[in-house]
Parts: sequence; C-alpha cells; structure tokens
Amino acid sequence: GENVEQHPSTLSVQEGDSAVIKCTYSDSASNYFPWYKQELGKGPQLIIDIRSNVGEKKDQRIAVTLNKTAKHFSLHITETQPEDSAVYFCAARLSGSARQLTFGSGTQLTVLP
Amino acid sequence: KAGVTQTPRYLIKTRGQQVTLSCSPISGHRSVSWYQQTPGQGLQFLFEYFSETQRNKGNFPGRFSGRQFSNSRSEMNVSTLELGDSALYLCASSLGGSEKLFFGSGTQLSVL
Repeated sequence: GENVEQHPSTLSVQEGDSAVIKCTYSDSASNYFPWYKQELGKGPQLIIDIRSNVGEKKDQRIAVTLNKTAKHFSLHITETQPEDSAVYFCAARLSGSARQLTFGSGTQLTVLP
Repeated sequence: KAGVTQTPRYLIKTRGQQVTLSCSPISGHRSVSWYQQTPGQGLQFLFEYFSETQRNKGNFPGRFSGRQFSNSRSEMNVSTLELGDSALYLCASSLGGSEKLFFGSGTQLSVL
C-alpha cells in the first residue's frame, strides 16, 4: 500500500516568515494530494489540494508543489500569522481507491508573534 | 450550510463493551468515510460508504463495522472494546464523485 512520510514534525517560525512542510509518497499510482490543517479540538480542515497532472497550485498565502518524478510534494505558507499555528497533515490517494487517504504523521507549526 | 455533525462528542466505555458512533454528513453529500486518529498511529482509514454500500475498507479487525442509511447518515460500531481502541474517530463526507473530504470534529472515545 501507500506510505507517506512528512517532515519536519515540528516547525517554529516568526510571524511574517515563510513555512515549508515536505512530504514524500511511495506509490507512483497516487494521483491526489490534499493538505489539512487541524486545530485543537477540531477535525482536519482541507486547505489546499493538487492532482497529479498539475505541478503547482496557489491560494492566497498558501501554495502546494508536486514533483511526480521524485514523489515529493510540499506546502508553502507565506507571511505567516499566529492563526496559522496548528497541526498540518499531508495525504495521498491511490488512483482507484475512492476516498481512502493515506496521511503523513503531521507537522506542528507554531508562529511566534 | 451545516458541516459534518458527529455525536456524541465524548464517550467513555469499559473493555468488552460495544459502542456506536453517529455521523450526519453535509447536506447533499452521499459519501461518508471514517478515520481513526491516535497519537501513535496517526490518521488511519477505516471504511467508506456511498449510497448505503461499503466501497472500501481499511486494515482494521472485524470488530469495526459501519453502515449508511438512505438519508446518507452513517454509524460505525466497535464491538468488544479494547484499550487500544481509545482514539478520536473522525467522519468525513464528500459530494458525489469529488475527492475532497470534509471532516467533522470527531468523537473522542476512551476505553477504560
């Protein structure tokens, strides 16, 4: 099956700086890569996603890049704000596996004011 | 538009008991997926239902089961609870053929 590795496990940045979280996946048949943000006491919230036929996608301060050859994908958050502090999860979905996502282990992002 | 609703929010059970968790998807969403979240294993897929049919099942023992009703609401059941079943159980819904999952806040299950 699919395996997703996520780094780093913790990340602290100063407010206004950029944050980058990286994931690698094992199965080249994966074709959908979402990112989720989870705040304390809440369920994961979808913040951005990308399909395997796209190399990059941006939504305001958030961007995701995908390198299919290297099986890497990354989340970039620019101009970080204290409210960006949360746990971020990457995930991958194998083609044909409906809505079965394999998640990374999570990154605790802390934005220091 | 209301989000995914999970009840109850917290649950305490003892070993050997069984438990039923409930999930109401976003209005119009016909797919419901269940995930288990623990500090050690992270987020793991349990199963997915679409139009009352189980479409996919993760690598969990048969003690974990689920069902979906005609109004798309879903329940999952865990029988003969073990200490290791203590976890946050998350339900997610999605619209038709969409890949996007929208999660509820979960049910925190503690097994004593």
